[in-house]
Amino acid sequence: DAGVIQSPRHEVTEMGQEVTLRCKPISGHNSLFWYRQTMMRGLELLIYFNNNVPIDDSGMPEDRFSAKMPNASFSTLKIQPSEPRDSAVYFCASSYGLAANTGELFFGEGSRLTVL
Amino acid sequence: GENVEQHPSTLSVQEGDSAVIKCTYSDSASNYFPWYKQELGKGPQLIIDIRSNVGEKKDQRIAVTLNKTAKHFSLHITETQPEDSAVYFCAASRDNDYKLSFGAGTTVTVRA
Repeated sequence: DAGVIQSPRHEVTEMGQEVTLRCKPISGHNSLFWYRQTMMRGLELLIYFNNNVPIDDSGMPEDRFSAKMPNASFSTLKIQPSEPRDSAVYFCASSYGLAANTGELFFGEGSRLTVL
Repeated sequence: GENVEQHPSTLSVQEGDSAVIKCTYSDSASNYFPWYKQELGKGPQLIIDIRSNVGEKKDQRIAVTLNKTAKHFSLHITETQPEDSAVYFCAASRDNDYKLSFGAGTTVTVRA
């Protein structure tokens, strides 16, 4: 398997623009996570999907952020409008199972977002 | 919620020496403790994990110890090599919980 695939790897945009990050989880995995990584806050869980259904979106910073998982092999994280403070590395991760201790969490290589 | 603290934030060791990273957690119900390694430009990757019914686990040059009474766990890397240079994250979660609480990370540099 190719692992978790994220695109784009790098995105530079201007404040106010819409940003869409994409993720293809590992085939057969039923849990998908979006994380944000910054120097100040470390790794933060933004949203968790199980069987394509959003289970926990309490980590989504505000209404400017939205995430979808239309099918088992694709998810998007959208920021509209983007702000400089959204600059971070966004990771998608997938696993098989309902709990952290039942399936290894596999991370993609991340999407580095810079908002000018 | 769970709060995981990790120390030190940076660690520089001579090649061949050992490296130790320590984490403490706040939720006494946590019983799964994985460690992730993040190389430059990559996503974190699981390198070892331990469950609360075990006090120590080894895998070649890496080992993890757990003290549930004191609520701390540690990662030990022996005979460090240049390829061990990376950021290491500890994490904790409860049984049947999808949420992992991550430490802030330790940047390990192995000097040749």
